[in-house]
Amino acid sequence: ELKVEQNPLFLSMQEGKNYTIYCNYSTTSDRLYWYRQDPGKSLESLFVLLSNGAVKQEGRLMASLDTKARLSTLHITAAVHDLSATYFCAGRRMDSNYQLIWGAGTKLIIKP
Amino acid sequence: DGGITQSPKYLFRKEGQNVTLSCEQNLNHDAMYWYRQDPGQGLRLIYYSQIVNDFQKGDIAEGYSVSREKKESFPLTVTSAQKNPTAFYLCASSLVEAVADTQYFGPGTRLTVL
Repeated sequence: ELKVEQNPLFLSMQEGKNYTIYCNYSTTSDRLYWYRQDPGKSLESLFVLLSNGAVKQEGRLMASLDTKARLSTLHITAAVHDLSATYFCAGRRMDSNYQLIWGAGTKLIIKP
Repeated sequence: DGGITQSPKYLFRKEGQNVTLSCEQNLNHDAMYWYRQDPGQGLRLIYYSQIVNDFQKGDIAEGYSVSREKKESFPLTVTSAQKNPTAFYLCASSLVEAVADTQYFGPGTRLTVL
């Protein structure tokens, strides 16, 4: 059974600093998704990682996938206040229904 | 503009009532999903549908029901059998036959039991 764990669950950081959110998953998953959620709002897709070694970047966010280690990371470079949000990762089941299993989310607060 | 709409935004339910949450999409997606989100937690799948007139239970289907009579619509009914329905409900849709079947989400419905 696929399980997805994120850490840390809460992160408070200063603007301009770098940090990484980690997403571990328990069994084989063929793709990994990252989403962003602002307070009281819906989820916005950030990245889809499809293969081992995949790296995607958008602005100050960079996501990577290591399928051998069953680990994905979301790296934040030179954080700005607008990146404050909750970030979720989700892995796709490899069984017949291919549904997503979600991590608990990382609440990121970036202070000026 | 293509997208997913959910209504109402806020919903209050009395004990013993059934309530229905609406979800409509004009993205021409085959698959639609209902998730429940509780404070500080990730999403949990309630039901999903990959084709009209067919749907499957997710991990927490008890106390919920759905229908898929049209490709664009996937309403969720929260029945009185759901013991703790207060939560944020999110509807999503995606392509089925795609290399990257990203799910796109509606704005959500916040349900509160009085």
